[in-house]
Parts: sequence; structure tokens; C-alpha cells
Amino acid sequence: NAGVTQTPKFQVLKTGQSMTLQCAQDMNHEYMSWYRQDPGMGLRLIHYSVGAGITDQGEVPNGYNVSRSTTEDFPLRLLSAAPSQTSVYFCASSYFIGGVGNEQFFGPGTRLTVL
Amino acid sequence: TQLLEQSPQFLSIQEGENLTVYCNSSSVFSSLQWYRQEPGEGPVLLVTVVTGGEVKKLKRLTFQFGDARKDSSLHITAAQPGDTGLYLCAGGGGATNKLIFGTGTLLAVQP
Repeated sequence: NAGVTQTPKFQVLKTGQSMTLQCAQDMNHEYMSWYRQDPGMGLRLIHYSVGAGITDQGEVPNGYNVSRSTTEDFPLRLLSAAPSQTSVYFCASSYFIGGVGNEQFFGPGTRLTVL
Repeated sequence: TQLLEQSPQFLSIQEGENLTVYCNSSSVFSSLQWYRQEPGEGPVLLVTVVTGGEVKKLKRLTFQFGDARKDSSLHITAAQPGDTGLYLCAGGGGATNKLIFGTGTLLAVQP
């Protein structure tokens, strides 16, 4: 049982390049989400999904796209990287039981630098 | 926009001291969670509180949810170096399961 896995662990991009951050979970969780973590700002929600084929925007969605074709995978696409997207990105998953905070299981993170 | 402010932002204490971390919002949350994050890793859940006024204890850690469900506190008794890390509160639940994270408190416990 690997939990939540993320690849790559580190990435350096040039401004304007695109890339996809991969996230996969093997716990059959309905809910998956992407966060970015910047110093002094905690974790900010980028996009989330409550099931395959369903995605929605979080607090900071601009510049990012997501899709959810399977329960297991939730990739995050950077369309045209900008230095402001330099951050640590975390993927998380949980069961989806509305009305109560459900334990989020986090991946180890991807450290992205945009030059 | 819902915001969760944590205080203090940084805390450096000696082993054996007690401390309290606060998490405050102007919004009401259906639940409040506390996570701990160690360097290079993702956050890990410590506790979830769902009832106003609820108090939960986890060994030397005591968590309280405010009566109005707008704030929470984390108290650590006799801190140990192993308590070092980033503590994050997160409010949410609701129909969409979205979590709003606080700004974080970085705790360093010196031996």
C-alpha cells in the first residue's frame, strides 16, 4: 500500500515551459486535491476533485489545469510556467463524506523552481 | 474568502516547557483539523474536532475547538525535541470536503 505518490520530487523549469505533476493514490479515495505551499502562507488549494470526471477550482487555480479520468490519478498541468509558480506542490486524497472534515493523506511533495 | 490565522508564526522553546498555538477565523467551520509537517514531507493529521467546545487529548497534546466553531487551540505540555515541526490548522468539511489551511506555526524545541 503506497498511499499517495507524487512525481517528480524536484523540477526546474524555464519561464513559459509547460509540465505535468503526477499524483496517484491506491486507497480508493474519492476526493483528491492539489495544494501549493509557500513560506508564511500555509497550504493553498489549487484544484480538487470529488470523483472521476468531476473537478473544481480552489483558492488559486489560475495557471493550472487538472483532469480526473480515473479514481487513482489526478495530474496537475502547468500551462506556461511563471516564476510566481515556484513553490512546493502537495497532492492529497481522502474519503468523501460530506459535512465532516475527513483525514487528508498527503504525498511527499514536488519542489518546483521556475527560472 | 475564509481565512485562518495562526499565532505565533514561530516559536523556539526549551525542552520541558509548555506552549499554546492559536488558530483564529471570522468564519464558522463544520470541523477543525490539526496537522503536523516535518521537513521534506507532507502534513500528517493529528486530530479532528467537530463540536463547539470539544476538547481532545493526544498524549501531551490538548486540542480545543471554540464554542462558536471559529477558533481552536493546541497546547503542548512538557515539549520534547520530537515535537519540532510545522503545525497547521485546517477548517472545513461541508458539502465539498474542501479544507482551508491556516498560515502555520513553526515550532523548534531545543534539547
